[in-house]
Amino acid sequence: AQTVTQSQPEMSVQEAETVTLSCTYDTSENNYYLFWYKQPPSRQMILVIRQEAYKQQNATENRFSVNFQKAAKSFSLKISDSQLGDTAMYFCAFLAPYSGTYKYIFGTGTRLKVLA
Amino acid sequence: DGGITQSPKYLFRKEGQNVTLSCEQNLNHDAMYWYRQDPGQGLRLIYYSQIVNDFQKGDIAEGYSVSREKKESFPLTVTSAQKNPTAFYLCASRTTTGWDSPLHFGNGTRLTVT
Repeated sequence: AQTVTQSQPEMSVQEAETVTLSCTYDTSENNYYLFWYKQPPSRQMILVIRQEAYKQQNATENRFSVNFQKAAKSFSLKISDSQLGDTAMYFCAFLAPYSGTYKYIFGTGTRLKVLA
Repeated sequence: DGGITQSPKYLFRKEGQNVTLSCEQNLNHDAMYWYRQDPGQGLRLIYYSQIVNDFQKGDIAEGYSVSREKKESFPLTVTSAQKNPTAFYLCASRTTTGWDSPLHFGNGTRLTVT
């Protein structure tokens, strides 16, 4: 069974600094997708970034980038130039559609607080 | 604007009563999902449906039921058999035309059972 682990329940970062959130996963699948979702205090879940396992290039979306290490089964999220609006819960998620289902597996989340 | 609507935002029920949470989407998505969110436990899958008139149990389906009679709607009933129903419930949908199409979420329903 696939599992997703986020080992940092809470983190904080100073505004304008860089922070990295960790995510590891376990799977026997060779091709899959990984996602980072953000849940601000409003509780509306928003997609931040996604990565396909067969793509070696790390995904980037403006200030957000990932460090995808397939062999290590690691998928960390880097937030550069942190802003107050980045304060939120961040969830890592895994999807292996080739397994015949479309079940997304979520980690337990990391609560990030950006300090002024 | 297209999106997912969950209603109501807050719901209060007495123990022993069944309650139905509404989820409607106008994104023309085939797949719909229900997640439960508890502090420190992330999102756990209750039920999902990839097509009308078909649905599958997720990891914590006991005490819940769903129906998918229309593409746009995927209501969740929390029955009296659910031992600890107080939680935040999120509905989501996605298109199935792309492998990596992401989940789109509603704003959630906070259910409190006393």
